[in-house]
Formats: sequence, C-alpha cells, structure tokens
Amino acid sequence: DADVTQTPRNRITKTGKRIMLECSQTKGHDRMYWYRQDPGLGLRLIYYSFDVKDINKGEISDGYSVSRQAQAKFSLSLESAIPNQTALYFCATSELRTGGNEQFFGPGTRLTVL
Amino acid sequence: AQKITQTQPGMFVQEKEAVTLDCTYDTSDPSYGLFWYKQPSSGEMIFLIYQGSYDQQNATEGRYSLNFQKARKSANLVISASQLGDSAMYFCAMREGLNTGGFKTIFGAGTRLFVKA
Repeated sequence: DADVTQTPRNRITKTGKRIMLECSQTKGHDRMYWYRQDPGLGLRLIYYSFDVKDINKGEISDGYSVSRQAQAKFSLSLESAIPNQTALYFCATSELRTGGNEQFFGPGTRLTVL
Repeated sequence: AQKITQTQPGMFVQEKEAVTLDCTYDTSDPSYGLFWYKQPSSGEMIFLIYQGSYDQQNATEGRYSLNFQKARKSANLVISASQLGDSAMYFCAMREGLNTGGFKTIFGAGTRLFVKA
C-alpha cells in the first residue's frame, strides 16, 4: 500500500465550485505539505504543516485553505475554484528532524477547472 | 531571484549512454541540501539522490550520481547507462537551513529526458 495517498486522483470542476483534495499518510511523519505543479514552473508550495496545530502559508496560498485533521491527514480546499487553479497537486510528507531528509510525495491529483 | 535553475528544458540521450542534467542553485546559507526527483509520465514524484552542502564526496545511488561543484553552485545529475525507463521529467531541488530544521524545498522548472532506443 502507498505511504502517501491522495483523493481524488482526477477531478474536473466548474468555476466557482468548492472542492477539497485529501491527503493521508501512513509514514508517521509530522510535516505535511501541499504543492501545485504547472508546466515550466516546477512545484510551488501552497501550504505546510508541522503538526495538527501548526499551519503555515507557502508562496502561493491565495485562493486556497487547508485543514490538518490529524497527524496523518491534511486536506486542501479551493473555496471558489477558478480556471488558473487547473494544475497537478501534490501532497508530501517529511520527518521532523534536521538534516537532508527527503520528502515523500503522494501520486498527485490532476485538477481541471472549467 | 531564481534559486534553482535548470537550463535544459529537454534532453535526448541514446540508450546505454550516460547523460548529465544540469542544475545550478543560489544560496548564501552554508547548510543546505540538494535533491533530485524523477517524475515519469504517470505523474508521481520519485526521490533519486541527495547531496548535503557539507558532504565531502559526491553522492551516488546506483546509476545516479550527483556532480557537486560547490564553488560553482552546481549539482548536476549524471545518469549512467541510460535505459528507456529513464525517460521522464527530472527536478532539481534545494532546501536551505538544514542545521536549523529548514523545511522549505525549492524546485527547479525541470528537464524532460528522452531516451532513444
């Protein structure tokens, strides 16, 4: 079973709709992240969380909100989706320690806003 | 300012040959880490290799090696003996402030590698 899962894997929605992307992990990591990937731009950080009481904005948080329901769950919401939020969204986790520990990514959610 | 630069949007390599994917970075932090990830067409992000700024030797993981040139601020990925399954997008990434719990990872725009049979 995958250590980091995302649901849904694909979603098509309309402008103005509210949508939630969910992420679950079984790695026991404290840190969780949401990124979006756009062609030619790499991955950009939307929000990150160090534990259930710690939520922080990343570089492109406008138009998004998150909820850390438990250590293992981190959801991303688009309150009113717009077409330029069409992207591939990744959830990631990492350990809470110093050093070069890598991030572990979920499979991604491809979101299309019409 | 761009912190991670990957200047090759696309690269072609013949199967079984070696290929180098370029990555330059910009930081004033003495404690940082450099990562390479692979993204095949299926979309998932796969961690390949890591190099710490204080590491004395270049990192190697199987067919992957990282050519770390600290003075030039470059961290090129070398894939030896390319295979068809290496065709993918490759991302270079950096995390600063490792010795103080730094967590923000900055990604480059990626290089798409095509391996020819």
